[in-house]
Amino acid sequence: EIVLTQSPGTLSLSPGERATLSCRASQSVSSSYLAWYQQKPGQAPRLLIYGASTRSTGIPDRFSGSGSGTEFTLTISRLEPEDFAVYYCQQYGSSLWTFGQGTKVEIK
Amino acid sequence: QVQLVESGGGVVQPGRPLRLSCAASGFTFSDYGMHWVRQAPGKGLEWVAVISHDGSNKYYADSVKGRFTISRDNSKNTLYLQMNSLRAEDTAVYYCTKQSSILTTDFDYWGQGTLVTVSS
Repeated sequence: EIVLTQSPGTLSLSPGERATLSCRASQSVSSSYLAWYQQKPGQAPRLLIYGASTRSTGIPDRFSGSGSGTEFTLTISRLEPEDFAVYYCQQYGSSLWTFGQGTKVEIK
Repeated sequence: QVQLVESGGGVVQPGRPLRLSCAASGFTFSDYGMHWVRQAPGKGLEWVAVISHDGSNKYYADSVKGRFTISRDNSKNTLYLQMNSLRAEDTAVYYCTKQSSILTTDFDYWGQGTLVTVSS
């Protein structure tokens, strides 16, 4: 089973700042099978990025994904108030799916 | 619009069974793989199980293998999760999710979840 480790656990930033979230895999992951989700309190997760770098429908272009192999990154270029939330990476491999433990982006 | 509505959650004693349902609408249900994902209180997301579009393939997380069974009824546009031998650690919100396509592995729609509490 591929383990995804996200860092940092918590990111304290101000609106307008840039957020860089990391997702490291215990073994190589196909870029086609790496996704990012956003979850706000009391809500279901929302798909942000799939295929490591493709934004899902309706996702603002301040969200971008990059990476390959075992290192992936979600970048939020300028934080808006609605972006403060928990972010999860997810991968697929060998008929199993796994999530990272999440990164919380909080208001500084 | 796509809707996924889970039901069947509640409080159940350890060792007892429970069946969750997910009613789907707004898309051709029989064309898509479907998943269950759970989230323990205050914790992260955990993938539970997947079923292929026609029900022929099913896979499970190790934590539920042998105890949980995923199934679907394409004539009723409904996904199920039969949970047996429930444990305290199965306490979580259970989400029904839709795989975005047969060629991709992300989940583009999620239900609002149903809470399962395993407690005596």
